[in-house]
Amino acid sequence: SAVISQKPSRDICQRGTSLTIQCQVDSQVTMMFWYRQQPGQSLTLIATANQGSEATYESGFVIDKFPISRPNLTFSTLTVSNMSPEDSSIYLCSVRLADLGYEQYFGPGTRLTVT
Amino acid sequence: AQKITQTQPGMFVQEKEAVTLDCTYDTSDQSYGLFWYKQPSSGEMIFLIYQGSYDEQNATEGRYSLNFQKARKSANLVISASQLGDSAMYFCAMREEKTGGFKTIFGAGTRLFVKA
Repeated sequence: SAVISQKPSRDICQRGTSLTIQCQVDSQVTMMFWYRQQPGQSLTLIATANQGSEATYESGFVIDKFPISRPNLTFSTLTVSNMSPEDSSIYLCSVRLADLGYEQYFGPGTRLTVT
Repeated sequence: AQKITQTQPGMFVQEKEAVTLDCTYDTSDQSYGLFWYKQPSSGEMIFLIYQGSYDEQNATEGRYSLNFQKARKSANLVISASQLGDSAMYFCAMREEKTGGFKTIFGAGTRLFVKA
C-alpha cells in the first residue's frame, strides 16, 4: 500500500489569493492525480501529473488556475490561484503504485474554504 | 455523457442485513477497471474492491462483493452483514485507458445509513 500525506489539511483563504497544496508519498509512483470534491458532490479529476512531463488537465481545468509541479517520484504540488468562493472544496491527491497492480490510493484531502 | 451512474442517492439498511448499492457504467473500451470506495464523514477515501473487465469471477473482499454483469454494464456492490460503521458515502468508479496513461472517474455516490 501507499501512505500519502497532504499539507495543509485545511485552510481558510481570502478571495484573490493563492494556496499551494503539497502531496507527499512514501513510495515512488509514476502517476499522481489531483481531484476536487465540491461540497456534497463526487470527485472530479483536475489533472494527471507524471514526473518529468507537463501535467495533463481535464476539460474545465486550466494550468493558469491550477498549476501543478511534479519535481520527483514522491512529491507534487497543486496551486489554486486567484481563488473565489467557488473554489471552496476538498482537494485530494491520489496515486497508483507503479507496476504494483490496480489499486489507487488517496491522500486525506485538503479542505479549502474561500471567503 | 455520464459514464458512471449511481441511481440511489441514499439507502437505509438494518444492522446485520445485506444491502446492494447499484452502479452502471458506459464505455466502449474492452479493457477497463471498476472500483468501489467508501468515504466516511472524516472525508478519507477508502478503497474497497476492484473488478477488472476481463475477470470472469466476481470480486470479493471480506463482507464486500462486486456483482459484475458485463453485458448489462453493471457493477453493484453487495455489503453483507451490515455494521453501524458501514454508514458512509459509497462511490463507484471506473478506470479507462487514455493517451499517456489512464484516468479514473467517479459516480455521484450513494449515502448508506445503517440502522441499529
